[in-house]
Amino acid sequence: SQQGEEDPQALSIQEGENATMNCSYKTSINNLQWYRQNSGRGLVHLILIRSNEREKHSGRLRVTLDTSKKSSSLLITASRAADTASYFCATDHSGGYQKVTFGIGTKLQVIP
Amino acid sequence: KAGVTQTPRYLIKTRGQQVTLSCSPISGHRSVSWYQQTPGQGLQFLFEYFSETQRNKGNFPGRFSGRQFSNSRSEMNVSTLELGDSALYLCASSLLSASGANVLTFGAGSRLTVL
Repeated sequence: SQQGEEDPQALSIQEGENATMNCSYKTSINNLQWYRQNSGRGLVHLILIRSNEREKHSGRLRVTLDTSKKSSSLLITASRAADTASYFCATDHSGGYQKVTFGIGTKLQVIP
Repeated sequence: KAGVTQTPRYLIKTRGQQVTLSCSPISGHRSVSWYQQTPGQGLQFLFEYFSETQRNKGNFPGRFSGRQFSNSRSEMNVSTLELGDSALYLCASSLLSASGANVLTFGAGSRLTVL
């Protein structure tokens, strides 16, 4: 079963615009991560935000976390055609054993 | 530093056959997780191994099994293949950080087609 659910499932924007993706989850987490997947390949880790953090930045990425609403958002600023990919949020329930659970993902298309 | 290596990258099987997929984690990573990815279903967790022990298992039938060797390399096996098993199978290794965060490094995947 999925823990996270991304919204929207697909997003198409023009190069230079900002892209915002949202994620909701169901149970308490240790941290939340965002990954990127280029078509048909493995996922690449982008950024991790801990449950006691509210916002985190990494280059053009900004992640927020609201544990009271069990939601997170990923903002990509000044998007580029190379950002075209699927983005997944993943919830980490570490605490004795590891099980990172992924959502269905948001497919982002950046039009040059 | 070599990444996570999955073999084979592509394979075609027929219904009823069985398949074994292999995953070599990053050197020093002792945790290996397997996921099944199908269109519309996202990544479904299969199982996770640490030091040759299965620590966690997803909601898959018993046809799906795995193991981990002493060198941390892992294999997963699917027996009596069904058409619905066609998917991209992803392996990820991780090194649990001191803070307890579990960041996964993925391989490129093994794409299985069942005819």
